[in-house]
Amino acid sequence: KNQVEQSPQSLIILEGKNCTLQCNYTVSPFSNLRWYKQDTGRGPVSLTIMTFSENTKSNGRYTATLDADTKQSSLHITASQLSDSASYICVVSATAGNMLTFGGGTRLMVKP
Amino acid sequence: NAGVTQTPKFQVLKTGQSMTLQCAQDMNHNSMYWYRQDPGMGLRLIYYSASEGTTDKGEVPNGYNVSRLNKREFSLRLESAAPSQTSVYFCASNKYPKESSGNTIYFGEGSWLTVV
Repeated sequence: KNQVEQSPQSLIILEGKNCTLQCNYTVSPFSNLRWYKQDTGRGPVSLTIMTFSENTKSNGRYTATLDADTKQSSLHITASQLSDSASYICVVSATAGNMLTFGGGTRLMVKP
Repeated sequence: NAGVTQTPKFQVLKTGQSMTLQCAQDMNHNSMYWYRQDPGMGLRLIYYSASEGTTDKGEVPNGYNVSRLNKREFSLRLESAAPSQTSVYFCASNKYPKESSGNTIYFGEGSWLTVV
Protein backbone atom coordinates (compact mmCIF):
# COMPACT_ATOMS: atom_id res chain seq x y z
CA LYS A 1 0.00 0.00 0.00
CA ASN A 2 1.31 3.46 -0.90
CA GLN A 3 2.11 5.52 2.17
CA VAL A 4 3.56 8.92 2.99
CA GLU A 5 4.81 9.54 6.52
CA GLN A 6 5.78 13.00 7.74
CA SER A 7 7.74 14.01 10.79
CA PRO A 8 7.53 15.67 13.14
CA GLN A 9 3.75 15.94 13.50
CA SER A 10 4.17 19.38 15.00
CA LEU A 11 7.00 21.81 15.55
CA ILE A 12 7.44 25.11 17.35
CA ILE A 13 10.35 27.40 16.47
CA LEU A 14 11.32 30.98 17.14
CA GLU A 15 11.07 33.59 14.43
CA GLY A 16 14.28 33.84 12.42
CA LYS A 17 15.34 30.25 13.04
CA ASN A 18 15.66 27.54 10.40
CA CYS A 19 13.84 24.23 10.41
CA THR A 20 13.64 21.02 8.40
CA LEU A 21 10.57 18.88 7.85
CA GLN A 22 10.83 15.24 6.80
CA CYS A 23 8.83 13.07 4.43
CA ASN A 24 9.30 9.33 3.87
CA TYR A 25 7.30 7.50 1.24
CA THR A 26 6.69 4.02 -0.08
CA VAL A 27 4.88 5.04 -3.27
CA SER A 28 6.02 3.02 -6.24
CA PRO A 29 6.72 3.47 -9.10
CA PHE A 30 7.57 7.05 -8.25
CA SER A 31 6.52 9.92 -10.49
CA ASN A 32 6.86 13.15 -8.54
CA LEU A 33 6.79 14.63 -5.07
CA ARG A 34 5.16 17.89 -4.03
CA TRP A 35 5.19 20.04 -0.96
CA TYR A 36 2.13 22.12 -0.12
CA LYS A 37 1.57 24.81 2.50
CA GLN A 38 -1.85 24.93 4.13
CA ASP A 39 -2.76 27.92 6.28
CA THR A 40 -5.38 27.33 8.95
CA GLY A 41 -8.83 27.40 7.41
CA ARG A 42 -7.51 27.60 3.85
CA GLY A 43 -6.80 25.26 0.97
CA PRO A 44 -3.31 23.86 0.28
CA VAL A 45 -1.02 25.95 -1.90
CA SER A 46 1.79 24.41 -3.93
CA LEU A 47 5.39 25.16 -2.90
CA THR A 48 7.45 22.78 -5.04
CA ILE A 49 7.15 19.83 -7.41
CA MET A 50 10.10 17.48 -7.96
CA THR A 51 10.47 14.63 -10.38
CA PHE A 52 12.75 11.61 -10.12
CA SER A 53 15.74 13.38 -11.64
CA GLU A 54 15.62 16.45 -9.38
CA ASN A 55 17.54 16.52 -6.10
CA THR A 56 16.77 20.05 -4.97
CA LYS A 57 14.22 22.71 -5.74
CA SER A 58 13.86 26.11 -4.12
CA ASN A 59 11.00 28.56 -3.79
CA GLY A 60 12.20 31.63 -1.94
CA ARG A 61 13.06 30.63 1.63
CA TYR A 62 11.75 27.11 1.03
CA THR A 63 14.14 24.43 -0.26
CA ALA A 64 12.99 20.89 -0.93
CA THR A 65 15.35 17.96 -1.39
CA LEU A 66 14.63 14.53 -2.76
CA ASP A 67 16.54 11.27 -2.40
CA ALA A 68 14.74 8.81 -4.64
CA ASP A 69 17.03 5.96 -3.56
CA THR A 70 16.08 6.18 0.11
CA LYS A 71 12.58 7.50 -0.71
CA GLN A 72 12.99 10.52 1.48
CA SER A 73 12.34 14.20 1.02
CA SER A 74 12.88 17.20 3.24
CA LEU A 75 11.60 20.75 3.26
CA HIS A 76 14.00 23.29 4.72
CA ILE A 77 12.69 26.69 5.77
CA THR A 78 15.30 29.42 6.18
CA ALA A 79 14.96 32.46 8.44
CA SER A 80 11.42 31.60 9.47
CA GLN A 81 8.72 34.25 9.63
CA LEU A 82 5.47 34.37 11.56
CA SER A 83 3.63 33.85 8.26
CA ASP A 84 5.31 30.46 7.91
CA SER A 85 3.00 29.13 10.63
CA ALA A 86 0.94 26.53 8.77
CA SER A 87 0.69 22.85 7.99
CA TYR A 88 3.11 21.51 5.41
CA ILE A 89 1.93 18.56 3.38
CA CYS A 90 4.07 16.12 1.42
CA VAL A 91 2.30 14.56 -1.57
CA VAL A 92 3.66 11.74 -3.71
CA SER A 93 2.31 10.40 -6.97
CA ALA A 94 3.01 7.17 -8.78
CA THR A 95 3.36 6.78 -12.51
CA ALA A 96 0.52 4.30 -12.56
CA GLY A 97 -3.01 5.34 -11.82
CA ASN A 98 -4.51 8.68 -11.08
CA MET A 99 -4.31 9.02 -7.32
CA LEU A 100 -1.94 11.05 -5.22
CA THR A 101 -0.91 9.90 -1.75
CA PHE A 102 -1.00 12.66 0.85
CA GLY A 103 0.98 12.74 4.05
CA GLY A 104 -0.73 13.77 7.28
CA GLY A 105 1.23 17.01 7.39
CA THR A 106 3.55 18.76 9.83
CA ARG A 107 2.01 21.62 11.77
CA LEU A 108 4.58 24.40 12.17
CA MET A 109 4.19 27.24 14.60
CA VAL A 110 6.61 30.18 14.45
CA LYS A 111 6.67 32.27 17.61
CA PRO A 112 8.01 35.81 17.97
CA ASN B 1 -8.88 35.47 -11.67
CA ALA B 2 -10.55 33.68 -8.76
CA GLY B 3 -8.93 30.23 -9.26
CA VAL B 4 -11.05 27.50 -7.65
CA THR B 5 -14.22 28.66 -5.92
CA GLN B 6 -16.36 26.38 -3.79
CA THR B 7 -19.59 26.95 -1.91
CA PRO B 8 -20.86 26.87 0.75
CA LYS B 9 -18.02 27.61 3.16
CA PHE B 10 -19.87 26.16 6.15
CA GLN B 11 -22.88 23.87 6.41
CA VAL B 12 -24.61 21.96 9.18
CA LEU B 13 -26.82 19.06 8.14
CA LYS B 14 -29.03 16.65 9.98
CA THR B 15 -28.50 12.94 9.44
CA GLY B 16 -30.37 11.85 6.32
CA GLN B 17 -30.51 15.27 4.69
CA SER B 18 -29.05 15.85 1.26
CA MET B 19 -26.92 18.69 -0.06
CA THR B 20 -24.67 19.64 -2.95
CA LEU B 21 -21.27 21.28 -2.74
CA GLN B 22 -20.56 23.48 -5.72
CA CYS B 23 -17.16 24.05 -7.31
CA ALA B 24 -16.07 26.19 -10.23
CA GLN B 25 -12.66 26.99 -11.72
CA ASP B 26 -11.77 29.78 -14.11
CA MET B 27 -8.36 28.50 -15.25
CA ASN B 28 -9.64 26.43 -18.20
CA HIS B 29 -8.41 23.26 -16.49
CA ASN B 30 -9.36 19.85 -17.79
CA SER B 31 -9.31 17.89 -14.55
CA MET B 32 -11.21 18.51 -11.36
CA TYR B 33 -11.23 16.67 -8.02
CA TRP B 34 -13.07 16.40 -4.74
CA TYR B 35 -11.12 15.54 -1.57
CA ARG B 36 -12.01 15.25 2.07
CA GLN B 37 -9.65 16.13 4.91
CA ASP B 38 -10.10 14.66 8.36
CA PRO B 39 -8.07 15.51 11.48
CA GLY B 40 -4.68 13.79 11.54
CA MET B 41 -5.18 12.26 8.12
CA GLY B 42 -4.00 13.18 4.67
CA LEU B 43 -6.42 14.38 2.05
CA ARG B 44 -8.33 11.52 0.46
CA LEU B 45 -9.75 11.57 -3.04
CA ILE B 46 -13.51 11.09 -3.27
CA TYR B 47 -14.15 11.49 -7.00
CA TYR B 48 -12.39 13.06 -9.93
CA SER B 49 -13.18 14.14 -13.46
CA ALA B 50 -10.33 13.87 -15.95
CA SER B 51 -12.24 15.82 -18.56
CA GLU B 52 -15.65 17.25 -19.27
CA GLY B 53 -18.19 14.44 -19.42
CA THR B 54 -16.19 11.89 -17.44
CA THR B 55 -16.10 11.04 -13.74
CA ASP B 56 -14.32 8.31 -11.79
CA LYS B 57 -14.25 7.05 -8.24
CA GLY B 58 -11.37 7.84 -5.97
CA GLU B 59 -10.32 6.28 -2.69
CA VAL B 60 -13.48 7.00 -0.64
CA PRO B 61 -16.50 7.39 -2.98
CA ASN B 62 -19.19 5.68 -0.88
CA GLY B 63 -22.06 8.00 0.05
CA TYR B 64 -21.21 10.59 -2.60
CA ASN B 65 -22.14 11.39 -6.18
CA VAL B 66 -20.63 13.92 -8.56
CA SER B 67 -21.58 15.80 -11.69
CA ARG B 68 -19.22 17.47 -14.15
CA LEU B 69 -21.71 20.04 -15.37
CA ASN B 70 -19.34 21.62 -17.87
CA LYS B 71 -15.62 22.29 -18.09
CA ARG B 72 -15.79 24.89 -15.31
CA GLU B 73 -18.05 23.20 -12.76
CA PHE B 74 -17.83 20.01 -10.71
CA SER B 75 -20.37 19.38 -7.95
CA LEU B 76 -20.36 16.88 -5.08
CA ARG B 77 -23.66 15.57 -3.72
CA LEU B 78 -24.40 13.87 -0.44
CA GLU B 79 -27.70 12.05 -0.93
CA SER B 80 -28.28 11.00 2.68
CA ALA B 81 -25.76 12.61 4.99
CA ALA B 82 -24.22 10.58 7.82
CA PRO B 83 -22.14 11.77 10.82
CA SER B 84 -19.11 9.98 9.27
CA GLN B 85 -19.25 12.53 6.47
CA THR B 86 -18.43 15.35 8.85
CA SER B 87 -15.25 16.69 7.30
CA VAL B 88 -13.62 19.49 5.37
CA TYR B 89 -14.12 19.14 1.64
CA PHE B 90 -11.75 20.55 -0.94
CA CYS B 91 -12.30 20.95 -4.63
CA ALA B 92 -9.20 21.08 -6.83
CA SER B 93 -8.26 21.32 -10.47
CA ASN B 94 -5.29 20.97 -12.78
CA LYS B 95 -4.60 21.42 -16.44
CA TYR B 96 -3.82 17.91 -17.62
CA PRO B 97 -5.91 14.79 -17.26
CA LYS B 98 -3.65 12.88 -14.95
CA GLU B 99 -3.46 13.80 -11.29
CA SER B 100 -0.07 12.14 -11.18
CA SER B 101 1.44 14.36 -13.85
CA GLY B 102 3.85 17.03 -12.75
CA ASN B 103 1.54 19.98 -13.11
CA THR B 104 0.32 22.04 -10.20
CA ILE B 105 -2.97 21.20 -8.58
CA TYR B 106 -4.92 24.22 -7.36
CA PHE B 107 -7.22 23.87 -4.37
CA GLY B 108 -10.30 25.78 -3.31
CA GLU B 109 -10.65 27.27 0.14
CA GLY B 110 -12.59 24.35 1.58
CA SER B 111 -16.13 23.63 2.76
CA TRP B 112 -16.66 22.74 6.42
CA LEU B 113 -19.50 20.24 6.71
CA THR B 114 -20.95 19.01 10.00
CA VAL B 115 -23.56 16.25 10.09
CA VAL B 116 -25.44 15.96 13.38
